[in-house]
Amino acid sequence: AQSVSQHNHHVILSEAASLELGCNYSYGGTVNLFWYVQYPGQHLQLLLKYFSGDPLVKGIKGFEAEFIKSKFSFNLRKPSVQWSDTAEYFCAVYNQGGKLIFGQGTELSVKP
Amino acid sequence: SAVISQKPSRDICQRGTSLTIQCQVDSQVTMMFWYRQQPGQSLTLIATANQGSEATYESGFVIDKFPISRPNLTFSTLTVSNMSPEDSSIYLCSVPGGRPNYGYTFGSGTRLTVV
Repeated sequence: AQSVSQHNHHVILSEAASLELGCNYSYGGTVNLFWYVQYPGQHLQLLLKYFSGDPLVKGIKGFEAEFIKSKFSFNLRKPSVQWSDTAEYFCAVYNQGGKLIFGQGTELSVKP
Repeated sequence: SAVISQKPSRDICQRGTSLTIQCQVDSQVTMMFWYRQQPGQSLTLIATANQGSEATYESGFVIDKFPISRPNLTFSTLTVSNMSPEDSSIYLCSVPGGRPNYGYTFGSGTRLTVV
């Protein structure tokens, strides 16, 4: 069965530090990949998505992610985090059945 | 992308009772998805609701516990039946974004507490 794995359960950073959140998926075919963010008390919002083309995708709020097919990875990055980036981040993969499968989530805490 | 109105936003219910959650979408969509987010955990897909047919449930979820209605292309309900404290979660509906590259849109969620 298709699955998504996020390696970091909780990440704590200081403001201006660089961020990289790991995401690996298990599926050998064509994949559509997403990163969602959930700010405290708010609903899920789409950060960025990869469907095809340039494997380096840029999303909102300075986030980017790189799709590396050989590694089955889609890691999320941001060069310099802000306190307002404190949230939970979810990696997700869209499978052939039209279902969105989520990883376990990574809680990011940014210290001011 | 679609806009989803989900209600109630939260509820506290007695064990053994049932709660029906509603999602209204501002455009017609073929597929709607229902997710559960248990405290401190990720989102788990409960079922896929297609208009005009029975919902398709994921492993571990059954129709008797989570009956779903999909009377038209803009509306769906999920009922959590015979609730127990283990059902305390956030329940969310989701629809595809309208075009393949739009991603998925989520409702604001229903925070359910069963006492």
